[in-house]
Amino acid sequence: DAEITQSPRHKITETGRQVTLACHQTWNHNNMFWYRQDLGHGLRLIHYSYGVQDTNKGEVSDGYSVSRSNTEDLPLTLESAASSQTSVYFCASSETDGALFFGPGTRLLVL
Amino acid sequence: GNSVTQMEGPVTLSEEAFLTINCTYTATGYPSLFWYVQYPGEGLQLLLKATKADDKGSNKGFEATYRKETTSFHLEKGSVQVSDSAVYFCAQQTGANNLFFGTGTRLTVIP
Repeated sequence: DAEITQSPRHKITETGRQVTLACHQTWNHNNMFWYRQDLGHGLRLIHYSYGVQDTNKGEVSDGYSVSRSNTEDLPLTLESAASSQTSVYFCASSETDGALFFGPGTRLLVL
Repeated sequence: GNSVTQMEGPVTLSEEAFLTINCTYTATGYPSLFWYVQYPGEGLQLLLKATKADDKGSNKGFEATYRKETTSFHLEKGSVQVSDSAVYFCAQQTGANNLFFGTGTRLTVIP
């Protein structure tokens, strides 16, 4: 069965370190997204991609970057982790009808 | 700009009670509308969607009707079960393939 996976599921890091969160989907979807979920804010879009070599900034992109070298993967990098980036991160993919398929999430704690 | 407003939670109901979770939106044009559900420790799952005015989305006993005149997409279920306890998110499609989410409404159903 097609799926979308994220790793690691839990991560603790220190302020200032670079962190990369992996996202891998086997739906063969062109569109991939990264969201963060925080209490009182719901889900906010960080970055998204409509295909290989395409990346776009979302609502809360500062301090984050992504790259899309193939259809299946969209890794999210925190260049220099900050305590404000403690959150739960969700990757998602979709085709053109807007319905998103979400991964299980990565819980990140920045100390 | 685009926005989605959901009723504040949490909502606590007894089993077999009637559920309504209100959702209103602001948008230019007529976006597709969605309800997603998030069970504890999991990513979001699509519950139902509607793509144009007067469409009714339905799934697992849940329903929502796209009301253009009131810019609403309220979620309803006639008889909730304990297994429906989750966080529910209303969302609208913005741009080509992006979704803008409400802040979520936590539902707890007690036996």
